[in-house]
Amino acid sequence: KQEVTQIPAALSVPEGENLVLNCSFTDSAIYNLQWFRQDPGKGLTSLLLIQSSQREQTSGRLNASLDKSSGRSTLYIAASQPGDSATYLCAVDDYKLSFGAGTTVTVRA
Amino acid sequence: IAGITQAPTSQILAAGRRMTLRCTQDMRHNAMYWYRQDLGLGLRLIHYSNTAGTTGKGEVPDGYSVSRANTDDFPLTLASAVPSQTSVYFCASSDGGTSGSGLNEQFFGPGTRLTVL
Repeated sequence: KQEVTQIPAALSVPEGENLVLNCSFTDSAIYNLQWFRQDPGKGLTSLLLIQSSQREQTSGRLNASLDKSSGRSTLYIAASQPGDSATYLCAVDDYKLSFGAGTTVTVRA
Repeated sequence: IAGITQAPTSQILAAGRRMTLRCTQDMRHNAMYWYRQDLGLGLRLIHYSNTAGTTGKGEVPDGYSVSRANTDDFPLTLASAVPSQTSVYFCASSDGGTSGSGLNEQFFGPGTRLTVL
């Protein structure tokens, strides 16, 4: 059974600092990995999808890397802003999505 | 309609009652999914449908049923609600249909908060 772990569970940084969020998974036979953002009381917003053949994906201030062989992905958010405060979830697709528990980020103004 | 809509937004239900959560998407996606999100347990897949007319069981299907009569709608039914079904329910859809394409990006609805007393 696929196990997805996100460390740390929570993170608080001052505005402007870069964010590094980690995701690890136990079974490397995946099709893709997806990063989501969830605001309190809201649904999930897709941020980035990395196919298993890719090493990274970028969207604006967001960059996600994937090392499938070691079962790791990292989401980098450059120059964080208070609006980046949210819970970030990673999910791996190995015929179905398996989610991590998320990292709750607080960016202090 | 833009994206995925879910109804109701929230509901308080007496145990033993029947309840259907509605989900509609306008993106013509082949695949649709139902998840529940619980504190400390994360998101877990209840049921899925790869295409209209087909459904499958996810990780936690007991006590739930689904149908997929057309592409756009994917209702989730609790035949006889129990307190352990108190949760936030999310519907999602994707264009991939089957995961092998590597392009199975999932898009989520806003959720239904269900409380069973």
